[in-house]
Amino acid sequence: TAGITQAPTSQILAAGRSMTLRCTQDMRHNAMYWYRQDLGLGLRLIHYSNTAGTTGKGEVPDGYSVSRANTDDFPLTLASAVPSQTSVYFCASSDSSEDTQYFGPGTRLTVL
Amino acid sequence: GQNIDQPTEMTATEGAIVQINCTYQTSGFNGLFWYQQHAGEAPTFLSYNVLDGLEEKGRFSSFLSRSKGYSYLLLKELQMKDSASYLCAVMDSNYQLIWGAGTKLIIKP
Repeated sequence: TAGITQAPTSQILAAGRSMTLRCTQDMRHNAMYWYRQDLGLGLRLIHYSNTAGTTGKGEVPDGYSVSRANTDDFPLTLASAVPSQTSVYFCASSDSSEDTQYFGPGTRLTVL
Repeated sequence: GQNIDQPTEMTATEGAIVQINCTYQTSGFNGLFWYQQHAGEAPTFLSYNVLDGLEEKGRFSSFLSRSKGYSYLLLKELQMKDSASYLCAVMDSNYQLIWGAGTKLIIKP
């Protein structure tokens, strides 16, 4: 199985533009998460979804939005990108029977 | 506030043993995780502790003391491929993971 896939692998984006980072999992996991990882900092939770149709805010939600229309997909949208959103973005998922989170390969985003 | 502390960087020799410490202060505790992350790659799950004591998994072991807010990851018989960052994360009372900044482990021949 593919596990979790993310697209694109990397992207350079002009400030003020919008962008959607895609995340798809084929493990039928209930919960999905979006993190950002910046040098010298731990992973920080942006948004999460415990089940299809529900979403919640994490530690750093401002400037980002998510939707969870079905179990498999959890896109992250930047409505108007700013340079401080330059980061590596990881999507993760977990099953309700265990707390372990499994990560996608990441998207490296540069906002200029 | 919530805080996870681990050393920024450690160096060890191939074939040796290294212990990576993690201390935490969180609102509630529902388990502690260790992940391995090679440069440019995603974090991958290594171990999970929810009760005090040592969990052994091959060359890797993880220890937890809830009363001390302390954990360590022990890596034995180090190999060059173990060069990576090791991330400590605690699941808080809201079942959210709080992450440390990671420890970069450098293995020298």
